[in-house]
Amino acid sequence: DQQVKQNSPSLSVQEGRISILNCDYTNSMFDYFLWYKKYPAEGPTFLISISSIKDKNEDGRFTVFLNKSAKHLSLHIVPSQPGDSAVYFCSRSYGQNFVFGPGTRLSVLP
Amino acid sequence: KAGVTQTPRYLIKTRGQQVTLSCSPISGHRSVSWYQQTPGQGLQFLFEYFSETQRNKGNFPGRFSGRQFSNSRSEMNVSTLELGDSALYLCASSLGTGSNTGELFFGEGSRLTVL
Repeated sequence: DQQVKQNSPSLSVQEGRISILNCDYTNSMFDYFLWYKKYPAEGPTFLISISSIKDKNEDGRFTVFLNKSAKHLSLHIVPSQPGDSAVYFCSRSYGQNFVFGPGTRLSVLP
Repeated sequence: KAGVTQTPRYLIKTRGQQVTLSCSPISGHRSVSWYQQTPGQGLQFLFEYFSETQRNKGNFPGRFSGRQFSNSRSEMNVSTLELGDSALYLCASSLGTGSNTGELFFGEGSRLTVL
């Protein structure tokens, strides 16, 4: 049972344009959804989160939107930069339980 | 403050051998969790330790085990290695109590290759 789904394994975007990464979930019990970014040969690093009581959270170029009725969230990166090229993981947290999606590889083309 | 430290960073083993990986969490963090990353599978949860006790366990065979010491450092062991165990093993630490954003702090991982 894949509780957190990221149906796009990869995404390519032109530099300066918007990147939209999507995540769907099945279990409605959660405290937060978190996005992590991972570069090759490094561990994932926390990017941005959204709590269960909000529908939007913004931090600089990064905005996460949560649609609880559709059990869907998305990460928007505007404008996209080449340094954003990485694998992005969506993660659900509930108490001390964490479930990660399979990740989406974002390539930002100069 | 120092981040999460994992050793060794890279190792090569042969089928049937066993391996031990080590993780030192961020100072003050009492929860250590382990994940396996393979291409296309994302991060698969292995287990989580808090105050020397296994608090959560993922869906992995008994060949995968772990422990946590009184200083919160953790080790994981894989016995009777199989080719499919080749992966990046990531350790993450957190305070382990309550919930701010639930953020995990990851180490750089131990890359295991089984030949």
